Amino acid sequence: KAGVTQTPRYLIKTRGQQVTLSCSPISGHRSVSWYQQTPGQGLQFLFEYFSETQRNKGNFPGRFSGRQFSNSRSEMNVSTLELGDSALYLCASSLLPGADTQYFGPGTRLTVL
Amino acid sequence: QKEVEQDPGPLSVPEGAIVSLNCTYSNSAFQYFMWYRQYSRKGPELLMYTYSSGNKEDGRFTAQVDKSSKYISLFIRDSQPSDSATYLCAMSYMNRDDKIIFGKGTRLHILP
Repeated sequence: KAGVTQTPRYLIKTRGQQVTLSCSPISGHRSVSWYQQTPGQGLQFLFEYFSETQRNKGNFPGRFSGRQFSNSRSEMNVSTLELGDSALYLCASSLLPGADTQYFGPGTRLTVL
Repeated sequence: QKEVEQDPGPLSVPEGAIVSLNCTYSNSAFQYFMWYRQYSRKGPELLMYTYSSGNKEDGRFTAQVDKSSKYISLFIRDSQPSDSATYLCAMSYMNRDDKIIFGKGTRLHILP
């Protein structure tokens, strides 16, 4: 069974631009969560989607948004990029939402210049 | 006080040694405890999870939870160079509406 895939793997943007990251969960998994990982803050929860609905959201500004499609694939968008948005963005999928076993993708490394 | 505290390391130990990795937490409502391993340039991989106090063993790995002390540990026996990675503890309230809280991770180096 294929794992979680994320595209692109690496991205370089400049301040003020916007970016869209994509995540394809494991086949059959309907819950997708997004995390931001930085050396200073560690792994921080962004949001979780299940059946195309956002079920939970972390403490991030409104510039961070996401959505989930009917095939469970998910995208997250960051508008008006800031230098501090440089991070590894990880997507995790699970069968059901909440504290079930999550399987992480390899992440998208975003660098904001 | 942060919800989950984890020493970032790095922790360097010789091959074959027993490794002890630890996390402390502040909220006694946490019910579900996990350990993830993350290799460089990869996403975290779930190693072990447990719902209760006590020990849980899986091969060379043992997870220990002490709820009275709000302290969890991961022990790695007969450590191998391939165990070199960052280890993250994580915990949640077991309510399906709650998110998982992660420690910042401990970098582990196993020296051949």
